Amino acid sequence: GESVGLHLPTLSVQEGDNSIINCAYSNSASDYFIWYKQESGKGPQFIIDIRSNMDKRQGQRVTVLLNKTVKHLSLQIAATQPGDSAVYFCAEKGGNNRLAFGKGNQVVVIP
Amino acid sequence: DSGVTQTPKHLITATGQRVTLRCSPRSGDLSVYWYQQSLDQGLQFLIQYYNGEERAKGNILERFSAQQFPDLHSELNLSSLELGDSALYFCASNSGTVNTGELFFGEGSRLTVL
Repeated sequence: GESVGLHLPTLSVQEGDNSIINCAYSNSASDYFIWYKQESGKGPQFIIDIRSNMDKRQGQRVTVLLNKTVKHLSLQIAATQPGDSAVYFCAEKGGNNRLAFGKGNQVVVIP
Repeated sequence: DSGVTQTPKHLITATGQRVTLRCSPRSGDLSVYWYQQSLDQGLQFLIQYYNGEERAKGNILERFSAQQFPDLHSELNLSSLELGDSALYFCASNSGTVNTGELFFGEGSRLTVL
């Protein structure tokens, strides 16, 4: 499949282990954050979101943590599976109501 | 399948040419967004339309233009193409009426300018 070919930070994780993907954001006025997953040859796909009045939100096998003090966001994937291999983007929504995407992190799951 | 359809999937053209990328949003979605994904810039927001009207504009060059038609499909026109315009162009849609960051992306149109 196609890939963007960005020189992205890469996390290699053994199948079954937990993954943690980190993201730093710059706009302290951002009040809404989202994680997207992009598999090779596909468009980004929404995973989970969190608003700034929360510091943790859980989904199915995923947890997003928000630390507004240090402007840091993380995505934790439990029991990583081969299908989790993808590029993961964090995105923030600020006062202009636009989504700004980070550069992405590549996750490679080793069977 | 996100329900968003983009055509063409691949396009190869020469510098100075003009191309049109087409997007059909998910059924019922009123808002369409265009993003450019390049090797060095990641996903960059270009423009958003809601029910036929421009709602937000991002880093879209003057050589680029877009529109949303009454049937809600959208077209992104890229003219006077340069080598640096080579990228993946994504269309995304959502209802536009709910304050959410959940966008439904198509599979993209890969443009190669030679």
